[in-house]
Amino acid sequence: AQSVTQLDSQVPVFEEAPVELRCNYSSSVSVYLFWYVQYPNQGLQLLLKYLSGSTLVKGINGFEAEFNKSQTSFHLRKPSVHISDTAEYFCAAWESGSARQLTFGSGTQLTVLP
Amino acid sequence: DAGITQSPRYKITETGRQVTLMCHQTWSHSYMFWYRQDLGHGLRLIYYSAAADITDKGEVPDGYVVSRSKTENFPLTLESATRSQTSVYFCASSQVLFGDEQFFGPGTRLTVL
Repeated sequence: AQSVTQLDSQVPVFEEAPVELRCNYSSSVSVYLFWYVQYPNQGLQLLLKYLSGSTLVKGINGFEAEFNKSQTSFHLRKPSVHISDTAEYFCAAWESGSARQLTFGSGTQLTVLP
Repeated sequence: DAGITQSPRYKITETGRQVTLMCHQTWSHSYMFWYRQDLGHGLRLIYYSAAADITDKGEVPDGYVVSRSKTENFPLTLESATRSQTSVYFCASSQVLFGDEQFFGPGTRLTVL
């Protein structure tokens, strides 16, 4: 069965520092990959997605992610974070052709410190 | 207003009571979903619907019932609430199933005493 692993449950980082949130998936077939962000007391919003093509995907708010098929990873990065980036981030995967649902990781709480 | 709304936003109930959580979307999206969010588990799919009168089970359907008589509404019912159903529930919608962005509602925080 498909699974998504977010290796860090909490990531504290100082404002204007770079950040990487790690995500690994398990699938032997093609996958669609997503990063969602959840601000406090809100629903999830899509940051970016990878369906095919270029392995470097750019999203909203200056975030980007790189699909690495050999390492089955889809890490999220931002070169310089702001206080407003404090939120929970979820990686999700959809196994194309067979799975009937989006599988979410357990989430990473990013806290940006002043 | 356009978008996806959920009601109530907060609900406290007692074990054994029936509870219905409402979800309404204005985009006329074909697909609608119910997830529950628990600490350490991320989001887990309870049920989803491809169209009016078409529903299917997700990962954790036990104890829940759904219906979809109209495209825009997708209520979730807990027929006899249990403490293990204390969670935050999110409704979402999308136009297609595979590879499409899902749009999420603000969530309902349910506490079962």
